Amino acid sequence: QQQVKQSPQSLIVQKGGISIINCAYENTAFDYFPWYQQFPGKGPALLIAIRPDVSEKKEGRFTISFNKSAKQFSLHIMDSQPGDSATYFCAASAHFNKFYFGSGTKLNVKP
Amino acid sequence: EAGVAQSPRYKIIEKRQSVAFWCNPISGHATLYWYQQILGQGPKLLIQFQNNGVVDDSQLPKDRFSAERLKGVDSTLKIQPAKLEDSAVYLCASRRDGNTNYGYTFGSGTRLTVV
Repeated sequence: QQQVKQSPQSLIVQKGGISIINCAYENTAFDYFPWYQQFPGKGPALLIAIRPDVSEKKEGRFTISFNKSAKQFSLHIMDSQPGDSATYFCAASAHFNKFYFGSGTKLNVKP
Repeated sequence: EAGVAQSPRYKIIEKRQSVAFWCNPISGHATLYWYQQILGQGPKLLIQFQNNGVVDDSQLPKDRFSAERLKGVDSTLKIQPAKLEDSAVYLCASRRDGNTNYGYTFGSGTRLTVV
């Protein structure tokens, strides 16, 4: 059973556009929702994370929107740049124990 | 701060052979994880260590996979015998103690191809 469902599988965005990746979960015990960025040949790197007590968190061009009632959260990349081209994973955990990852979204930002 | 070191970077073996991967976590990180990342999928936790003790190995295929973390520092993950479906990237990650994601760092992984 997949604990975290992620969409879309791939995304093409023009430079300067907004990239939006969505995730949904079922386990209401999850209390920590990070997003990871992975470049080819590298391990995932923490990008931004949110707790369920806030509905939005922004760090630079990256924003997480969180909807607790719908059990959904999304990553918005504003002013997308070619250097943002990577695979993005959402994840969820309860009390920082086991992390459950989504299946990933491959983002391609066209110059 | 040095990152999580893993070796080898790549490994190609035939099915039914054995293979071992090595991980050196960030100094001072008590918690160490091994993840399996199959192409096109997100990482899946195989085993979690706290110092040299196993915290969670519920998703480790124990009939063929084994892992150890002697002295609470370096760790090795072994597969014996390997199957074709074991082809994946094996990622090691480490984390500082405490309820925080700060310092949860992945290594670059070992890409295993079983032919």
